[in-house]
Amino acid sequence: ELKVEQNPLFLSMQEGKNYTIYCNYSTTSDRLYWYRQDPGKSLESLFVLLSNGAVKQEGRLMASLDTKARLSTLHITAAVHDLSATYFCAVNFGNEKLTFGTGTRLTIIP
Amino acid sequence: ETGVTQTPRHLVMGMTNKKSLKCEQHLGHNAMYWYKQSAKKPLELMFVYNFKEQTENNSVPSRFSPECPNSSHLFLHLHTLQPEDSALYLCASSSPTAEVVGYTFGSGTRLTVV
Repeated sequence: ELKVEQNPLFLSMQEGKNYTIYCNYSTTSDRLYWYRQDPGKSLESLFVLLSNGAVKQEGRLMASLDTKARLSTLHITAAVHDLSATYFCAVNFGNEKLTFGTGTRLTIIP
Repeated sequence: ETGVTQTPRHLVMGMTNKKSLKCEQHLGHNAMYWYKQSAKKPLELMFVYNFKEQTENNSVPSRFSPECPNSSHLFLHLHTLQPEDSALYLCASSSPTAEVVGYTFGSGTRLTVV
């Protein structure tokens, strides 16, 4: 079965702190995507990771991919309130469609 | 705007009504998708169209009927829906050559069935 699991599902963190969201997937893939969704809004593409060891950074967010461990991480550095959103990872298992994780709802507390 | 436009943004319909959701993209993508997003559930893939041909129907009830007249337009026709069908319906498009950006999503239609 093609599965994508994220943890944690909910995360409250204080401004200025660091944290990591994890995305595990069930079978081989080297195409993984991270999206952000604000309440009531659509999904915004954040990162595309297309090879083992890929690392992408944008501002306070950094994403990495370990295809051997079937694991991607989204690291948040010195969180600010604007980062409050739900974050999804999605995997392309080679069948031309994306399988999404359950999402991580991130709340940054002042 | 992301390049994928969905209308309407909000829709309230009775269980006996018939309505349609519309999705339009002019990104030159060849694949279009309908996803359903319900509270507390993962995004659920409903339908996939590739070059106007339906390539996937993910066990979706027949009260949802997709239509893809060309590579730029995708519709979801709704009839005799149930309250549990209330959700955010997202359209997305993609292309093999656009793999570096993944899917492009529309803003979604918030559907409420009363």
